[in-house]
Amino acid sequence: QKEVEQDPGPLSVPEGAIVSLNCTYSNSAFQYFMWYRQYSRKGPELLMYTYSSGNKEDGRFTAQVDKSSKYISLFIRDSQPSDSATYLCAMSPTSGTYKYIFGTGTRLKVLA
Amino acid sequence: GAGVSQSPSNKVTEKGKDVELRCDPISGHTALYWYRQSLGQGLEFLIYFQGNSAPDKSGLPSDRFSAERTGGSVSTLTIQRTQQEDSAVYLCASSPRPGPNEKLFFGSGTQLSVL
Repeated sequence: QKEVEQDPGPLSVPEGAIVSLNCTYSNSAFQYFMWYRQYSRKGPELLMYTYSSGNKEDGRFTAQVDKSSKYISLFIRDSQPSDSATYLCAMSPTSGTYKYIFGTGTRLKVLA
Repeated sequence: GAGVSQSPSNKVTEKGKDVELRCDPISGHTALYWYRQSLGQGLEFLIYFQGNSAPDKSGLPSDRFSAERTGGSVSTLTIQRTQQEDSAVYLCASSPRPGPNEKLFFGSGTQLSVL
């Protein structure tokens, strides 16, 4: 079993929809949780990060962490065609060599 | 300023040949990572360099893989006797300092195809 599980999609939604992307994990040592966005033929770019449990909002994006369920989510409101990309979750413990563990990524298509 | 630069952007090689992939991190970034991205596998950690500390090589899949970082800057990932299963995108990332919440800056990757 992988340390981080993520549905690869693809997920197709109409423009303006609310998108929910999720990851589950098994390592309770993970304390930092990140979402990266990757456009085709590009490297991933950091979108948001949260520490421990709770919510964080940035514009149309909201990240949620539920450590008791080992479950994290990224919500995208009013989705746009420019949001079409692969979204990867990533996690790290608070100590050690900071080896970020990534999910497989979910491919999202927002249809105009 | 310039971002993380990787070369070549594409590499086609024959099974059994050796290949070298290069990464130029952002100037001043002390941490450097190599990841491999295959279809359906996500980003697979390979190796992590931090300053003058011994690298974390725990993700290297076999002894055919090695990496070095010279002068705390440029890094080279070498794959010896390439196999078809080595075909993937190899991504390099750097961050200003080590830490669990540091932003990783990725290059665009090297697409390796082993025929």
